[in-house]
Amino acid sequence: DAGVTQSPTHLIKTRGQQVTLRCSPKSGHDTVSWYQQALGQGPQFIFQYYEEEERQRGNFPDRFSGHQFPNYSSELNVNALLLGDSALYLCASLGTGGLRNTEAFFGQGTRLTVV
Amino acid sequence: EDQVTQSPEALRLQEGESSSLNCSYTVSGLRGLFWYRQDPGKGPEFLFTLYSAGEEKEKERLKATLTKKESFLHITAPKPEDSATYLCAVRTHMNSGYSTLTFGKGTMLLVSP
Repeated sequence: DAGVTQSPTHLIKTRGQQVTLRCSPKSGHDTVSWYQQALGQGPQFIFQYYEEEERQRGNFPDRFSGHQFPNYSSELNVNALLLGDSALYLCASLGTGGLRNTEAFFGQGTRLTVV
Repeated sequence: EDQVTQSPEALRLQEGESSSLNCSYTVSGLRGLFWYRQDPGKGPEFLFTLYSAGEEKEKERLKATLTKKESFLHITAPKPEDSATYLCAVRTHMNSGYSTLTFGKGTMLLVSP
């Protein structure tokens, strides 16, 4: 049973560029959350997708956007990259609807470096 | 606003030297406290969920406990392979009715042979 998979594992981009990160949730999970983890910090919530809609958003600018597909996989897009966007981006999947008391399982993350 | 504070920020132990990590939280109605282990450059690995004060869970050399204000992760006779950052998080219910996790900054544990 595949867990949460993310791609790519590492990425280097230049300031001002755009980037797309991808996530496939754990089998049987239909809710995907994205987190940003700066070095030495805990993960910070970006947004959550369920039934192909953004259901909740953390304190992140509109440069951060996402999408969920009918197969529950998800993308995170970041436009106009800033140096401060350099971080480990984590995808977490949860059971049905994000409302149940289920554990969140994380992927291995995508390390984004903006130069 | 929900808050999670972990202490110490870093902890160095000798192999076999037992200790505890602390996670104090402020939340409007606890709906789950989670412990994760994170190795450098990797995603967090789920360890435990605790829901009510007095609850305890164990896994190998780790035991998590919960009170009304804090949680402890006890590490008994640690081995070098227990070296990692341990993250604590609380489940937060947002205005939308959906939930997310609020994390602490973590405790970096180093166990020397």
